[in-house]
Amino acid sequence: AQKVTQAQTEISVVEKEDVTLDCVYETRDTTYYLFWYKQPPSGELVFLIRRNSFDEQNEISGRYSWNFQKSTSSFNFTITASQVVDSAVYFCALTPPLARQLTFGSGTQLTVLP
Amino acid sequence: EAQVTQNPRYLITVTGKKLTVTCSQNMNHEYMSWYRQDPGLGLRQIYYSMNVEVTDKGDVPEGYKVSRKEKRNFPLILESPSPNQTSLYFCASRASGTGELFFGEGSRLTVL
Repeated sequence: AQKVTQAQTEISVVEKEDVTLDCVYETRDTTYYLFWYKQPPSGELVFLIRRNSFDEQNEISGRYSWNFQKSTSSFNFTITASQVVDSAVYFCALTPPLARQLTFGSGTQLTVLP
Repeated sequence: EAQVTQNPRYLITVTGKKLTVTCSQNMNHEYMSWYRQDPGLGLRQIYYSMNVEVTDKGDVPEGYKVSRKEKRNFPLILESPSPNQTSLYFCASRASGTGELFFGEGSRLTVL
């Protein structure tokens, strides 16, 4: 069975601080995909990144970066110089290819204060 | 524009009054799915469909029905809604094998 754990339920930072959201996963599959989704206060789910299990290179996209470490089964997400607009719930998720579902973590509520 | 469209976006109804939440995608995706989101529980899968006329239960299917008569549409039916079905519902679709889910904007349902 798969499992995704986001131990941080809520995080609050002041604007311009860096913040890291943790994601730890469990799976017996050797091939799988990891995702991060953002859910702003408006409620929609916004896709941020997909990473496959064979690609352990870290990825940077503007102020966002992702650290995938297979050895510790973690896929952490860092926002550099946070902004108020980054306030949202962030979900980490996991799936093997062709699977019937994406397994989500319970989410981390990030609040960025001005 | 590639999208998944859900309707209605907001609905307040009463116990026992049948309702349908529609979902349509324009990406020719084989796979479609329904999730519900509740505080502290993340997203949980209700039903999914691998293709037309192929549907199966997810983790929380009780009280729901689905159908997949056309590739683009995947309606969620609540035959006799109850207050514990008050939730935020998401429809999603995925091209076969890619893993990435495209989500609709969500439908917030309140059952009184």
